[in-house]
Order: sequence, then C-alpha cells, then structure tokens
Amino acid sequence: GAVVSQHPSWVICKSGTSVKIECRSLDFQATTMFWYRQFPKQSLMLMATSNEGSKATYEQGVEKDKFLINHASLTLSTLTVTSAHPEDSSFYICSATISGRLSYNEQFFGPGTRLTVL
Amino acid sequence: DAKTTQPNSMESNEEEPVHLPCNHSTISGTDYIHWYRQLPSQGPEYVIHGLTSNVNNRMASLAIAEDRKSSTLILHRATLRDAAVYYCILRDRENRDDKIIFGKGTRLHILP
Repeated sequence: GAVVSQHPSWVICKSGTSVKIECRSLDFQATTMFWYRQFPKQSLMLMATSNEGSKATYEQGVEKDKFLINHASLTLSTLTVTSAHPEDSSFYICSATISGRLSYNEQFFGPGTRLTVL
Repeated sequence: DAKTTQPNSMESNEEEPVHLPCNHSTISGTDYIHWYRQLPSQGPEYVIHGLTSNVNNRMASLAIAEDRKSSTLILHRATLRDAAVYYCILRDRENRDDKIIFGKGTRLHILP
C-alpha cells in the first residue's frame, strides 16, 4: 500500500515558538492532503484540506493564520503551528489521497506527530 | 454528511470473533461504507469497505444489511494487536475529493 510519512514524530517546544510538521507521500503523488488534530481520548478532528499549488481550505473554527499550510508539491505538505501555546499540544495527523485509480479516493494516513508545548 | 452510530466501547476475549456494529440509517445510494481503525499512538489505517454486498479481506469481513442501514465489521479471531478504535465512515463515491469526518468510533478492548 501507499506510504505516508510525517516528520518529526514528536516535538517539544517552548510557548511562543513556531513548529513545522512535514507530511510526505513516499511512493505516490497525492492530489489532496488533509490535516487532522487529535486530543487525548478524542476522535480525529479535520483541520484543513490542502491541494498542491493552491490555498488550503480550513474547517470552521480553525485559525488559518495560526495553522499555516503549504502544499508545495504533489508529495509534500507542511503544517506550521505559529506562536504555539500549551493548548496547541496535540497529536497532528496528515493523510493523502490518490485520485483516479479506484472508484473512490483511497486515503492513506501518516503515523502522526505529537506536539507538546511547554 | 450521512451520520453513523457506533457503541462507545466493546470487549472481547482473545482468539474469539468480534462483531462491531454500525448504524447508518440515513445512508444514500452513493455512499460506500468504510471502516478504519486506529491503534494506540498511530494514524488510522484502512480496514475494509463495501457498497451492498458482504466483503472479505485478510483483515476482516464486512456484513452489510439488505437495506444498507446498518453494517457489522467482523474480526474472525481477535488478537491483542486488534485492540484499537474502530471507525465506521460513509464516503460518497460521487464526491471524489470528499474528506473523511471521523465520529467517536468504538474502542475495542481485547482480554487475554
């Protein structure tokens, strides 16, 4: 199956700093990538949809100036948490889709990045 | 989006079959039924999907009711590694770029 990687797998940062998380599709080109956030014991919450070369579409309630998404190529999307605060501590997961191959878009998930803001 | 309803949690003994139910009474004719699972501290992984007929793969079986308003994910012989949160999700086959909205899922505990 298709592989999606994330880097870093975990990060600890001080309050007020910015953190960049990378999401890569390793063996396929992804038309669309998605970013999710997950707090402990809760379900995944979709943050935004990202298409290569265009601006991301954010879900209601997600601050686009705080969570900057750049989808520079068909294999790489980045999420930057700007001026991180302790309440941004969470598990961030990306996913990527391959379009056109099947009757639906398979979605492949990365392993997640655990962000802890001190 | 059509909604699904799942029990919050279930328990099963190791090496026994597990039946995870999902209700989706407002399913539309173009919705596929997908199941994903999330192991602890990992991203979700695809398990199985179907439209109308029952489906089998190496991980599980999917039994779909005749009226499609419910489905059951069947793990034939649960192991400790199957302990995870299982999500039942409807995906519209006519919306090729549709996003996945996760519900709360069912947390499956496997007892040794």
